[in-house]
Amino acid sequence: GAGVSQSPSNKVTEKGKDVELRCDPISGHTALYWYRQRLGQGLEFLIYFQGNSAPDKSGLPSDRFSAERTGESVSTLTIQRTQQEDSAVYLCASSLPGSNSPLHFGNGTRLTVT
Amino acid sequence: AQSVSQHNHHVILSEAASLELGCNYSYGGTVNLFWYVQYPGQHLQLLLKYFSGDPLVKGIKGFEAEFIKSKFSFNLRKPSVQWSDTAEYFCAVNADTGRRALTFGSGTRLQVQP
Repeated sequence: GAGVSQSPSNKVTEKGKDVELRCDPISGHTALYWYRQRLGQGLEFLIYFQGNSAPDKSGLPSDRFSAERTGESVSTLTIQRTQQEDSAVYLCASSLPGSNSPLHFGNGTRLTVT
Repeated sequence: AQSVSQHNHHVILSEAASLELGCNYSYGGTVNLFWYVQYPGQHLQLLLKYFSGDPLVKGIKGFEAEFIKSKFSFNLRKPSVQWSDTAEYFCAVNADTGRRALTFGSGTRLQVQP
């Protein structure tokens, strides 16, 4: 079956521009997560959705970052006024309900801010 | 806050060598523990998980991990590695803090030489 799909796979943008990253989770997966991976570092949690609400936004690094989810499906991560330190791979994962459900990851969006 | 440490950042082995990758976490309560693997050009995928019961868990492709509560460790092992095991390995923890998202270590890059 289809896995988690992320688009675009690569995005190069100029400093100060806004970007939108999209995630299509596996159908039926009510939980959705965004993580960020900077070069040479581990995965950094950004935000968690259960359905369309986000009970945990504690990982968003600044108010330039926001995310939404609609229809208990697609999620969009928006970064406003991008900075060079935003350059990273942004990973989306989804899972079934239940804290023990394994995460299914997409291939990520590689964001480069020039 | 919970954290995960992977002390081996880059490991190089010859085929048939034995593997042990270290993982330590910093939370004293009940934890769920995971190892994820990312093969070159592929997305992160679950290798194995521990929730409760037998502290020695077996995963795919001959991997196993042992949960040692007294050492706050969940080391990954494989008796004999293959070239196809070349990948990046991430340890992750989910603690009973009410936070749903996994906390990941910084990853270990394994290179198996034929």
